Amino acid sequence: QVQLQQSGPGLLKPSQTLSLTCAISGDSVSTDGVAWNWIRQSPSRGLQWLGRTYYRSRWYNDYAESVKSRITIKTDTSKNQFSLQLNSMTPEDTAVYYCARASPGLANWGQGTLVTVSS
Amino acid sequence: DIVMTQSPDSLAVSLGERATINCKSSQSVLYSFNNKDHLAWYQQKPGQPPKMLIYWASIRESGVPDRFSGSGSGTDFTLTISSLQAEDVAVYYCQQYYGTPYTFGQGTKLEIK
Repeated sequence: QVQLQQSGPGLLKPSQTLSLTCAISGDSVSTDGVAWNWIRQSPSRGLQWLGRTYYRSRWYNDYAESVKSRITIKTDTSKNQFSLQLNSMTPEDTAVYYCARASPGLANWGQGTLVTVSS
Repeated sequence: DIVMTQSPDSLAVSLGERATINCKSSQSVLYSFNNKDHLAWYQQKPGQPPKMLIYWASIRESGVPDRFSGSGSGTDFTLTISSLQAEDVAVYYCQQYYGTPYTFGQGTKLEIK
């Protein structure tokens, strides 16, 4: 049974960098054909996919155009986890952030982290 | 980006009655290489992450009650709850995984009449 456990701060000031980690149990971040995703949800934007990482002979990353200049998704195979970095946070980035496993639908989700950006 | 549009935005159905939610994509999500529709349905209850109910448009996820079913192909899809139970009160979303960016419908809020 796959479980995803998120960790990271929930309160940021404008211009700061968001860093969230998603620890995986029951699967490997290197499993061929499985994508590891970050998604956020807010009342104004609904569910918004931010990006993914996956391994298929080598590592690939895909990012949403709307955040492409600010986002980095990394993997740590030694800890079996992946992470989200989102730079230059603004109040418009306030949302619940989720990590999720796609195989291919988003079958497994983290518990969610409410991230508030406020001065 | 593929735009996903759900209808209705909200729905009130009596217990034991059928509930039907529609989802339309701005382009086909039927992938010719595997002849499968890259479409999933999710249920979200307050304070919880979305839970996948259906994938490949019509395949029920393990553990999902058989009163939930998905149908459709190409650009038009339907989620049906055959006999509404109290625990089905939630917001339902469709999502395409035909290509990135993955996109979601705006959600349909299902309530008891």
